[in-house]
Parts: sequence; structure tokens; C-alpha cells
Amino acid sequence: KNQVEQSPQSLIILEGKNCTLQCNYTVSPFSNLRWYKQDTGRGPVSLTIMTFSENTKSNGRYTATLDADTKQSSLHITASQLSDSASYICVVTRIFSGNTPLVFGKGTRLSVIA
Amino acid sequence: SAVISQKPSRDICQRGTSLTIQCQVDSQVTMMFWYRQQPGQSLTLIATANQGSEATYESGFVIDKFPISRPNLTFSTLTVSNMSPEDSSIYLCSVARGDTGELFFGEGSRLTVL
Repeated sequence: KNQVEQSPQSLIILEGKNCTLQCNYTVSPFSNLRWYKQDTGRGPVSLTIMTFSENTKSNGRYTATLDADTKQSSLHITASQLSDSASYICVVTRIFSGNTPLVFGKGTRLSVIA
Repeated sequence: SAVISQKPSRDICQRGTSLTIQCQVDSQVTMMFWYRQQPGQSLTLIATANQGSEATYESGFVIDKFPISRPNLTFSTLTVSNMSPEDSSIYLCSVARGDTGELFFGEGSRLTVL
């Protein structure tokens, strides 16, 4: 069954601290993996996209890693800011086979406090 | 990127009524997608709106409950019919762009059914 599991479900950290969010998937055949940030009351916005051959990709203070062998990805946030408070959603794309190609995780709710 | 405008941004509705959500994209796209995001859940694809043909619905969603219009390449509507409290959710419009088919989302329409 194609699934994306994210952990933790929610996380509270102090401003300035680092944190790492996890994403495990059982989706196949794998095409790519994306991390989205969804602010409260807003639509998701893409942070990174990684294909099978990529191990790491950065976008400012956000760094995503991908281990295609273990089917795990992480999103590391450095020097967190209050504006990082949001839900972070991991999305895995299957090579299109006529079925729904995108499999969404439930997200990790991050709260950054002063 | 893509600029996607949705309205209403939020609404509170009575049981048994219907609500139509509008989605406007800043440029022409072949396919537009409608997602539902229930509290604490991942995004679920309702249907793909194709211009010039009927929408393609995912398992568990039917046209009578979620009729969709796609009159041109920049606009679509989703109607939530005969609403019940279980329909309380965020409804998101989305388009895919670029070589990787990255998804861009509207701001979402938060629906509460009393």
C-alpha cells in the first residue's frame, strides 16, 4: 500500500533552535519527494523537491535529505524563527500509472515559540 | 510559479445547503485539481477538472455530491452539495507546472457546516 508517514505529529521548539522532521514512505514506483510548508489558513507552498538520485537539497534554512534505499526523508530547519510555525507536509510522487500519482503525509505541526 | 485565487476563503453554512467554491489561475492550465483537507488529515484528491470534458473523480467522491465546472483554461468551480457537518474541511484548488509537475495551491476555502 502506498503510504507516507510523518513524525512527529507535532513539535514545539524555542526560537533559534534547530529541528528535524521525518518522513517515511512505502510509495512505489518512486518519482520524487517534495516538502511543503503550510501556514495556518493558507495553501501549501513547495520548499524542496528531490528525485531518486539526490541525497540532499537546501532552500535557505531548510535542508532536505533523501535516502531512497531506506525510503526515508528528513527536513532540517536551522536557527528556527517564529515564522517557521506551520505544518510541514511530505508528498511522494509515483511514476504515473493512471492512478493517483501523489501520496500526501498528514504533516508535522511545528510551533516555534519565543 | 502560479497565482491561484480562491473564494470564498471561508464560510459557515447550514446543513442541507450547497456552496460553490471558485478557483482562478493567472495563466492557462490543462488540468486543475481539487483537494480536501480534513482536520488533522492529509490532503485528499477529490477530482481532476479537465477543460472541455467531465471531471475525473477519485474513489469515494461522486459528481452528484461534488459537481465541478471547468468553462475555460483558467477557471474552475467546485460545489459541495447537500452539506453535512462531515463536509467541514478546507478545500484547495491546485495546478501543476514545470518539468517536475510541481503543485501550486490556492489559499484554500475553509468550510464549516453547522
